[in-house]
This record gives sequence, structure tokens and C-alpha cells, in this order.
Amino acid sequence: EVQLLESGGGLVQPGGSLRLSCAASGFTFSKFAMTWVRQAPGKGLEWVSTITGSSGHTYYADSVKGRFSVSRDYSRNTLFLQMDSLRADDTAVYYCAKDLQYSAAAYFFDYWGQGTLVTVSS
Amino acid sequence: IVMTQSPATLSVSPGERAALSCRASQSVSTNLAWYQQKPGQSPRLLIYGASTRAAGLPARFSGSGSGTEFTLTITSLQSEDFAVYYCQEYNNWPSLTFGGGTKVEI
Repeated sequence: EVQLLESGGGLVQPGGSLRLSCAASGFTFSKFAMTWVRQAPGKGLEWVSTITGSSGHTYYADSVKGRFSVSRDYSRNTLFLQMDSLRADDTAVYYCAKDLQYSAAAYFFDYWGQGTLVTVSS
Repeated sequence: IVMTQSPATLSVSPGERAALSCRASQSVSTNLAWYQQKPGQSPRLLIYGASTRAAGLPARFSGSGSGTEFTLTITSLQSEDFAVYYCQEYNNWPSLTFGGGTKVEI
């Protein structure tokens, strides 16, 4: 059974940093692209970042480029999102999501974690 | 690319048919997915490739369209279908865009 379990969310002051984790199980982690999607309170979904499978190429939305960094630990089957220079408009539930397609990314997502809430406020 | 979903809210009675619209500001071919999200839950993949149902999805859900105009149709709405539905284009990689969502309510 595929499981994605996010952690690391919390309250942080503007300008601060936070590192999110997503522990994956139930599939061959190295063979699937993984993505972070966020959802501000009461709002819609916003793509944040994607890291491809074995090659580990990274991609970012313009809104987070230069501030966020995505990575993955293949030995621990864990996805990370390092978030620096946080702003109030980064406040959201952050989901990790698994790409549907094996090996070559398809860029849509068949499994999602339960999400972790990041609140940026003084 | 801007993805516009309409209506924002759709009021439907159980057993009726619902048609949700998603419009792209430029062609996305058939590189479009639909998701369902219930309150307090994560999104669930319904449709990809504009019309391919995800594994285990009931046949009452169907997707159609190409280019800039897409429709998610739910025939004979069940109580568990009341939720928010999002479209997502994946034609414009390395960027992905979701629509603003349509809430289907009783």
C-alpha cells in the first residue's frame, strides 16, 4: 500500500526557515517523480516543486524559486522541502504527491499525503 | 497558462447529472487531469489525459475535451460525490497549473 507521510510543519516567523519531510513507502521511491503542492487556507491548489526520479532534476514555481529547495534521500525513501525566507503568503497546507507514471514523469499525481500545515506569522 | 473553472459552485440534487467546466487560456492538448477533494482530505486523482479514468473510479465519472475546453461529467450524483473538483494542466512543463475549483453541493 502506498503511503506518504508529511511532517515538519508549524509556526514560523516571516523570514524564517522550515524543512518539510515526506516519508514514502509501498512503492519503488527512486523510480517516481515526487511533487510538493500547497493549499492556502480556504483556497485552491498550487504547484510548488517537483523532483524527478532517479536523475533528481528539480523544478520550482516562480513564487518559490530561489527560496525553496527540494531534495530526496533514496536510502531513506524520503522527500524534503527546505523553505527559507518564508513570507506570510507561504502559509498553507503542504502536500507531497507521487507521480502516476513509472520512470518518466507524467506530472499528475495518483497518491497524496495528508498534508502538513505551515503558518508564517509574527 | 490560466485555468478557469466554472461554475464556482454547482448545486445539484442526488441522482442528478453534473457537468463541470475547465477552460485553458491556451491549448493544453489533452494534458489535463481532474481531482476531487473532500473537506479535510487530500485530493484524489479522478481523470488524466482528459478522459482516462483513474484506477477504481466509478464509471459515473467521465472526462471529455481537448485544446482549451474540458468537461468533467458526473452522472447520477451520489452523496459521496459532493466535494470540490480541480482541473490541472500538465502541458506547459516545467510549470503546472490548477484551476480554482468547482464546489459541488447539495
